[in-house]
Amino acid sequence: GEDVEQSLFLSVREGDSSVINCTYTDSSSTYLYWYKQEPGAGLQLLTYIFSNMDMKQDQRLTVLLNKKDKHLSLRIADTQTGDSAIYFCAESTPNTGNQFYFGTGTSLTVIP
Amino acid sequence: EPEVTQTPSHQVTQMGQEVILRCVPISNHLYFYWYRQILGQKVEFLVSFYNNEISEKSEIFDDQFSVERPDGSNFTLKIRSTKLEDSAMYFCASRKKSWYAANEKLFFGSGTQLSVL
Repeated sequence: GEDVEQSLFLSVREGDSSVINCTYTDSSSTYLYWYKQEPGAGLQLLTYIFSNMDMKQDQRLTVLLNKKDKHLSLRIADTQTGDSAIYFCAESTPNTGNQFYFGTGTSLTVIP
Repeated sequence: EPEVTQTPSHQVTQMGQEVILRCVPISNHLYFYWYRQILGQKVEFLVSFYNNEISEKSEIFDDQFSVERPDGSNFTLKIRSTKLEDSAMYFCASRKKSWYAANEKLFFGSGTQLSVL
């Protein structure tokens, strides 16, 4: 089945860039997503990328997709304390229909 | 922004008891989902629901689980006889269109933390 892997923890200093990485196994993935979960809240869609794209930028967020290596990353520029949260990578494919497959989430801690 | 609402936020139950987790999806959404996350593990798909019936379910969603949309607003997940391993955060989600409309967001609720003792 589909497998999405992320590292569990990341700490950065305020003002630095954060890079959260994700690998996936299904080469037929169509859309890949980044969700953010703040304490006590649900999963909030941050951004997504279609599999025929290499990069997508949205303000401080940059998503890079290396389809050959099945590697997705989320870069947060000028990381702020409010960016501290858990970040989930997810994929959906034609094979999985309505299902999203999530990673374990990366807990980002921003140190003031 | 519209919200998916889940109640309760925390549920503690004894093993073998039945629990019902409640969700109010966004009112004009058509597709409904339940996911769960066991502590330290991945967010796992349980079931999707469309047009008043289950459209897909995972291996986790066995006979102990059921979903219902009893009225026009609520979407419930019932676990008939809870086991210790059912302890997890359960997320409800909804979206307006089907999966291929990726610009239609999947909205998640804030989750119900279920603890089975």
